[in-house]
Amino acid sequence: DVKVTQSSRYLVKRTGEKVFLECVQDMDHENMFWYRQDPGLGLRLIYFSYDVKMKEKGDIPEGYSVSREKKERFSLILESASTNQTSMYLCASRAGRYYGYTFGSGTRLTVV
Amino acid sequence: AQTVTQSQPEMSVQEAETVTLSCTYDTSESDYYLFWYKQPPSRQMILVIRQEAYKQQNATENRFSVNFQKAAKSFSLKISDSQLGDAAMYFCAYTAMNRDDKIIFGKGTRLHILP
Repeated sequence: DVKVTQSSRYLVKRTGEKVFLECVQDMDHENMFWYRQDPGLGLRLIYFSYDVKMKEKGDIPEGYSVSREKKERFSLILESASTNQTSMYLCASRAGRYYGYTFGSGTRLTVV
Repeated sequence: AQTVTQSQPEMSVQEAETVTLSCTYDTSESDYYLFWYKQPPSRQMILVIRQEAYKQQNATENRFSVNFQKAAKSFSLKISDSQLGDAAMYFCAYTAMNRDDKIIFGKGTRLHILP
């Protein structure tokens, strides 16, 4: 089975800190995605990537950036964390449209 | 723009009974995929069932089946013989077959199973 691993389940960071959320997949998938999940809002796409060094903005990219230096790793960066970025962050990868996503376990980020 | 709507934020069902979760979507595409994902309290999101829009036959996976009405843009999930382990957040999702790669999710339905 495809495995998508998010390095942290819980993170607490201070306002203004630079935050890195790491995601690694082990099945050579081309496509990787970052979503945030908030109650009542569902999943909202932050950024996605079709291939190494490629990135595309999703629906809510403001305040975030991403890095994909290697095919298996897709990092989400909060340049200067703010309290409104407190959320659950989900990483996903996909082999092709038919297969849907494989998700990581999520990172619950709290910014204080 | 494509949208996915789940009109039931929460539902409850008695154990062993059948429940149907509703989903409607809006798209101008003719070829697409629809999905139902389950997110248990442990948070790992998993794929429950998939439907290709070009297939008239409704998808089935064990106790899970869908009612896909393409003209009405409706895609409901039926869970038969509900079990305690079915308690979760369920998300309906859509992706176009021939356009960009993102999946669009509904806001979810929280399903409670009553013992």
